[in-house]
Amino acid sequence: AQSVAQPEDQVNVAEGNPLTVKCTYSVSGNPYLFWYVQYPNRGLQFLLKYITGDNLVKGSYGFEAEFNKSQTSFHLKKPSALVSDSALYFCAVRDGGVSQGNLIFGKGTKLSVKP
Amino acid sequence: KAGVTQTPRYLIKTRGQQVTLSCSPISGHRSVSWYQQTPGQGLQFLFEYFSETQRNKGNFPGRFSGRQFSNSRSEMNVSTLELGDSALYLCASSLSSGTGVYEQYFGPGTRLTVT
Repeated sequence: AQSVAQPEDQVNVAEGNPLTVKCTYSVSGNPYLFWYVQYPNRGLQFLLKYITGDNLVKGSYGFEAEFNKSQTSFHLKKPSALVSDSALYFCAVRDGGVSQGNLIFGKGTKLSVKP
Repeated sequence: KAGVTQTPRYLIKTRGQQVTLSCSPISGHRSVSWYQQTPGQGLQFLFEYFSETQRNKGNFPGRFSGRQFSNSRSEMNVSTLELGDSALYLCASSLSSGTGVYEQYFGPGTRLTVT
């Protein structure tokens, strides 16, 4: 069965510093991986996805993610954090087949960026 | 392009009642998925509809049901509400064409409180 793990419940960084939010996955077949962000009382916003190709995927708001097949990881990164990046971040994997809609999410990581 | 809309945004119901939530996808999106988000269980997939047919279903009891109309709008229904059904219900839509992998776009959610 597909699964996603986000080992950190919370990540704290200072504004201007680089940030990393970790994600590891377990899939059978090709991994289709996604990152989403959720602000308080809002739905999820799509940041980026990995399907195939380059291991470094660039997304919205300056975020990028590095796919590492040998370590089964898909960590989210940003070179310089902003206070406005503070939110809940979810890693997800698509559960195979032709269905587009069945995403399996990690538990989420709360990112706190302090001025 | 308008985003995914969900109505109502907030709902308070009593145990034993039933509830219907509505979702209008982004124009041109034919796949609509529903998720339940709770602090304890996180984000869990309920079901996906495509061209008025349920294409995939998560591990929820039969009290949870849904449907999709010819204009791709979707509704989900929960009958005989239980306290544990209190959650944020998120709807997401995506393109679904051939074997491509498409990201989902989420609505703001409906906050259901069962008393």
